[in-house]
Amino acid sequence: DAMVIQNPRYQVTQFGKPVTLSCSQTLNHNVMYWYQQKSSQAPKLLFHYYDKDFNNEADTPDNFQSRRPNTSFCFLDIRSPGLGDAAMYLCATSQQLAEETQYFGPGTRLLVL
Amino acid sequence: GENVEQHPSTLSVQEGDSAVIKCTYSDSASNYFPWYKQELGKRPQLIIDIRSNVGEKKDQRIAVTLNKTAKHFSLHITETQPEDSAVYFCAASHPPGGGADGLTFGKGTHLIIQP
Repeated sequence: DAMVIQNPRYQVTQFGKPVTLSCSQTLNHNVMYWYQQKSSQAPKLLFHYYDKDFNNEADTPDNFQSRRPNTSFCFLDIRSPGLGDAAMYLCATSQQLAEETQYFGPGTRLLVL
Repeated sequence: GENVEQHPSTLSVQEGDSAVIKCTYSDSASNYFPWYKQELGKRPQLIIDIRSNVGEKKDQRIAVTLNKTAKHFSLHITETQPEDSAVYFCAASHPPGGGADGLTFGKGTHLIIQP
């Protein structure tokens, strides 16, 4: 009965080689978020979709892009991964923006060689 | 934007004692304050949350208090057990349209329960 699913759980890529992480949800929530969490740090919001409306955080590098083809799926694309992009990437969903519980997926741990 | 400060960064308590983690936030418009527990290598899981129209909320051994005037909120865990050992994050959320629409997290507190 997983509600927020992320694949793969572990991803290894090479420096500069594009990589895509995926997230799907069975909750039919309006909002999907992507967070980056580096070791021993707090999750940091990269961007979110409210339905089809994309909202980018001001300090999210251009190297990070996202797509949401439908309600259930959301993708994180890293165009040219650098060593500093190695992290856990967490997807989360909520029914509405703000004052709403966010449900997190298990995360994808990205390793950049 | 919102800034959330969390203290302490590490907290070690004896099993059975209480633990208190404190957070402050900067944006007076923030109105939703969840607490997440994250075990090593796992997803953050919501343990309790509070909205700005409430001063205190309790769920069994866990309670959260909110002081809007002072812009701080605290997590209280009583009768701590070994399974309470984890990293705890506080967070704040801003109303839609006024700024970042996701959660702004504190830096986390590593809670260690000593047997």
